[in-house]
Amino acid sequence: QLQLQESGPGLVKPSETLSLTCTVSGGSISSSSYYWGWIRQPPGKGLEWIGSIYYSGSTYYNPSLKSRVTISVDTSKNQFSLKLSSVTAADTAVYYCARNPWFDPWGQGTLVTVSS
Amino acid sequence: QSVLTQPPSASGTPGQRVTISCSGSSSNIGSNTVNWYQQLPGTAPKLLIYSNNQRPSGVPDRFSGSKSGTSASLAISGLQSEDEADYYCAAWDDSLNGRWVFGGGTKLTVL
Repeated sequence: QLQLQESGPGLVKPSETLSLTCTVSGGSISSSSYYWGWIRQPPGKGLEWIGSIYYSGSTYYNPSLKSRVTISVDTSKNQFSLKLSSVTAADTAVYYCARNPWFDPWGQGTLVTVSS
Repeated sequence: QSVLTQPPSASGTPGQRVTISCSGSSSNIGSNTVNWYQQLPGTAPKLLIYSNNQRPSGVPDRFSGSKSGTSASLAISGLQSEDEADYYCAAWDDSLNGRWVFGGGTKLTVL
């Protein structure tokens, strides 16, 4: 059974870079059929797609975040990662990773708070 | 402001049938398929319907999806207390070089 697990710091200072990793287990991230994505949810609000990556490294990002986002993949570790630069309080959210194209399954999510 | 529009709330009594709408445009629902997600309190979203009307294995057939033009709907029949959750629609949007877009979510209350 495929499982995804997010990991990374729960607290990031304003103007710094948020870094998270998603570890995939129970299946290979190198499957040719899927992309792997990041989605976030601010407290009490809805879902926002951040971006997705293919195992080859091909990426596509939400235009609203593109200037600050980098998603990378490490097939040897069956992981993909998110970096979001120049964060502000508006980036405080639960960050999820999920398999594209249907966003299924999802990781349990990790809360990242941006605060000094 | 979400690209896909959902009613913020919906409600029903046990056993009833409820529907949740999702309105979009020609660049998203009008030209691509729609997925639906269920988010129980304090948990991650779960795929409920994909490709407009397909249920993943394990999802009860009480849940069904449909699409017409630039709108989609999620129907829940035989409403149960455990269906109380937030529901989100999503679709690929062809504008701005392409992006996934979500609805703002609908909170379903079982009275």
